[in-house]
Formats: sequence, C-alpha cells, structure tokens
Amino acid sequence: KAGVTQTPRYLIKTRGQQVTLSCSPISGHRSVSWYQQTPGQGLQFLFEYFSETQRNKGNFPGRFSGRQFSNSRSEMNVSTLELGDSALYLCASSPDGREGQPQHFGDGTRLSIL
Amino acid sequence: SQKIEQNSEALNIQEGKTATLTCNYTNYSPAYLQWYRQDPGRGPVFLLLIRENEKEKRKERLKVTFDTTLKQSLFHITASQPADSATYLCASTGYSSASKIIFGSGTRLSIRP
Repeated sequence: KAGVTQTPRYLIKTRGQQVTLSCSPISGHRSVSWYQQTPGQGLQFLFEYFSETQRNKGNFPGRFSGRQFSNSRSEMNVSTLELGDSALYLCASSPDGREGQPQHFGDGTRLSIL
Repeated sequence: SQKIEQNSEALNIQEGKTATLTCNYTNYSPAYLQWYRQDPGRGPVFLLLIRENEKEKRKERLKVTFDTTLKQSLFHITASQPADSATYLCASTGYSSASKIIFGSGTRLSIRP
C-alpha cells in the first residue's frame, strides 16, 4: 500500500505570494490532517478534513485554508505569505479520524519564504 | 491551556542501555497518548498508542506507560542501538476534540556505540 504522498517536497516563495500544497492520503483513508512544524513551535495542528468537510481547526490565521476532494486528496493554501510561514508542512491521514487513531504522515513540503 | 511537554530536548546514552523518555501533560486529561519517531527530513512514524485505562503497553524493545496520577507517560527503548537514534514525539488526544492531536516538542535521542 502506498504511503501518504506530498508534493512538492521543496518550495521557495517570496513574501506576499500564495502557495498551494498537495496531499494524497493512503488509499481508503478518508481523514486528512495538516500540520506545521518549526524548530521553535514544534508540530502544530492546522486543520482536519473528512468527507470533504473541515471537521477541526487549530489556532492559525485565516490565511491558512484547505480543502478536500471526493477522492480524499487534499490541498492546503497559504495566502499573503510571511517570513514566519517558513516551515515543514506535514500531511497525515487515518481511516476516519476517530479519536486515538494513529496518524500516517507524509514526508512533508519544506516551504521557504524569502 | 492544554499543554504537553517533553522535558528533555536531547538524550545521549550508550548502546545497549535502556533509553527512557518522558512526556508530561497539564490542564487536561487525554484519552490516548501516542509516540512517534521522526528521522531528519522525514515525517513522523507511529510507534505505540496507550489508552488512559491502560498502565503499560509493549512492542518488541519498546514499552510505554501511562500514569494518570502523575499526568505522565514514559517511553522506554531497551537494548538500545545506534539505529534507534532519532527524535521521538509524544502526542495526545483528549475528549474535547475527536481528531485534534497535541504534540510535544520532541526529544532527540542519540545512541553512541
């Protein structure tokens, strides 16, 4: 079974631009969550999608948004990029996101803002 | 606010010894605690899960405990090997949110030959 796939692996943008990151979950997994990982703040939950609906959201500004498609693939968008958005963005999937289900992570997209 | 802390940023031990990593939580009662391993440039990989009504869980050389009185989980790697060197993350899910997981900041474990 293929794992979680994230594209692209690396991305360089400048302040003020916007970016879209993509995530393909494990086949059959319907819950997709996004996380931001930085050296200072660690791994922080952004939001979770299930059946094309955002089910949970972390404490991030509205510049961070996402969506999920009918095949469970998900995209995350960040608008008006700031230097502090430089981070590793990780996507994780689980069968249905029930409490306690282990998260299966991709290897992330490394986003650098110049 | 809900908080989960891994007290040691880094831990260095000799090969063959038991590595013990600590995770403490405050201001909430997680229903589950999970432990993940993360290698440089890679995403975290799930290792073990323990429920609040379980005291201990084992998998091969790994053992995790959950002490609701101390509000603490301990993660042990016995007979440690250099290949066990990685960052280990604890994570919790509570009753308040079904799928929102809170991660600790991680402990970087180095096993020297």
